Amino acid sequence: GENVEQHPSTLSVQEGDSAVIKCTYSDSASNYFPWYKQELGKRPQLIIDIRSNVGEKKDQRIAVTLNKTAKHFSLHITETQPEDSAVYFCRGDTGRRALTFGSGTRLQVQP
Amino acid sequence: DVKVTQSSRYLVKRTGEKVFLECVQDMDHENMFWYRQDPGLGLRLIYFSYDVKMKEKGDIPEGYSVSREKKERFSLILESASTNQTSMYLCASSDGRNTEAFFGQGTRLTVV
Repeated sequence: GENVEQHPSTLSVQEGDSAVIKCTYSDSASNYFPWYKQELGKRPQLIIDIRSNVGEKKDQRIAVTLNKTAKHFSLHITETQPEDSAVYFCRGDTGRRALTFGSGTRLQVQP
Repeated sequence: DVKVTQSSRYLVKRTGEKVFLECVQDMDHENMFWYRQDPGLGLRLIYFSYDVKMKEKGDIPEGYSVSREKKERFSLILESASTNQTSMYLCASSDGRNTEAFFGQGTRLTVV
């Protein structure tokens, strides 16, 4: 099945700095790459996604980039704010119906 | 607005008890999933279902079973609860492979 590796497991940045989280996948047939944010005590929610026919997608301060050759996709958060502090998950897509998530990155934005 | 609702937010059960965790979604989604979330271990898939009465094992099915008698409802069953099943359990649903997954609010289960 799909193997999804996510790095780093923890990330601490100063407010206003940028944060980058990377996911590597193994299934070359994957074509959908979402990122989820889980705030403390809340459920994970989709924040941005990208499909394999584009290389980058932006939504205000967040962006996702895809490198299909290298089989990795990354979440970029610019001008980080304290409310960006959360756990972020990438998700792999496979030929199976199962949804496999990365192990999560705990982002801490220091004010 | 999609709603995935789990029957309990917090649950405390005794070792050896049979435990039922219920999940209901209101968007007619085909696929439903049960995950377990532990610190540092991410979201681990226990079981999933892609149709009524259909189920497939995920990565950590041991000690669990599931039931999907109706499309909107997916139940996770702990046949004989053990302390190592103390965890946060999250249900999710989706309408297909390449689509957003929607999560329930989670059930924090403590087995004593």
